[in-house]
Amino acid sequence: EVELLESGGDLVQPGGSLRLSCVASGFTFSSFAMNWVRQAPGKGLEWVSTIGHTGENTFYAGSVKGRFAISRDNSKNTVFLQMNSLRAADTAVYYCTRGQDSDYWGQGTLVTVSS
Amino acid sequence: DIQVTQSPSTLSASVGDRVTITCRASQNINSWLAWYQQKPGKAPKLLIYKASSLENGVPSRFSGGGSGTEFTLTISSLQPDDFATYYCQQYNNYSWTFGQGTKVEMK
Repeated sequence: EVELLESGGDLVQPGGSLRLSCVASGFTFSSFAMNWVRQAPGKGLEWVSTIGHTGENTFYAGSVKGRFAISRDNSKNTVFLQMNSLRAADTAVYYCTRGQDSDYWGQGTLVTVSS
Repeated sequence: DIQVTQSPSTLSASVGDRVTITCRASQNINSWLAWYQQKPGKAPKLLIYKASSLENGVPSRFSGGGSGTEFTLTISSLQPDDFATYYCQQYNNYSWTFGQGTKVEMK
């Protein structure tokens, strides 16, 4: 059974940093691109970042480019999102999703940016 | 970036109704469009990918259509479990965008 388990969400002050993790199981992790999608409270969905299956290719939404970095460790079936220079507008539930079609989603981890 | 406009934002319907939601892309995205269902407090669930392919396990009352810039999600006979919010998403290139969402509520 495919499972994605996010962790690392927390309350952080504006300008701070946070690292999210997503541990995958139930499939050949190294064969799939992975994504982060976020949802601000009461709002719609926003794509954040994608990393190719080898980790060689990375892509970012304009709203996070230069502040966030996606990476992966295929030996640990884990994808990461390093978030720096956090802003109030980054407050959201962050979901990890699998592949081009986002056919599987984790349960999400809440990031709150507030002083 | 490719913009995706979803309509309506809210739809009031009854069990058994045929329901259609529309998404329009600001430029040609071929068939690179997906539809998701989200219930309160839960992660979204993939319903349709590549515009018209039904995800495994999704009931056949859901169908997707269109290509290019105009797409639809149709529920042929609305069931109680279908009251939820629906999102379309284009993935033509790696600057994905979602529609604003359509909340399907009970009339």
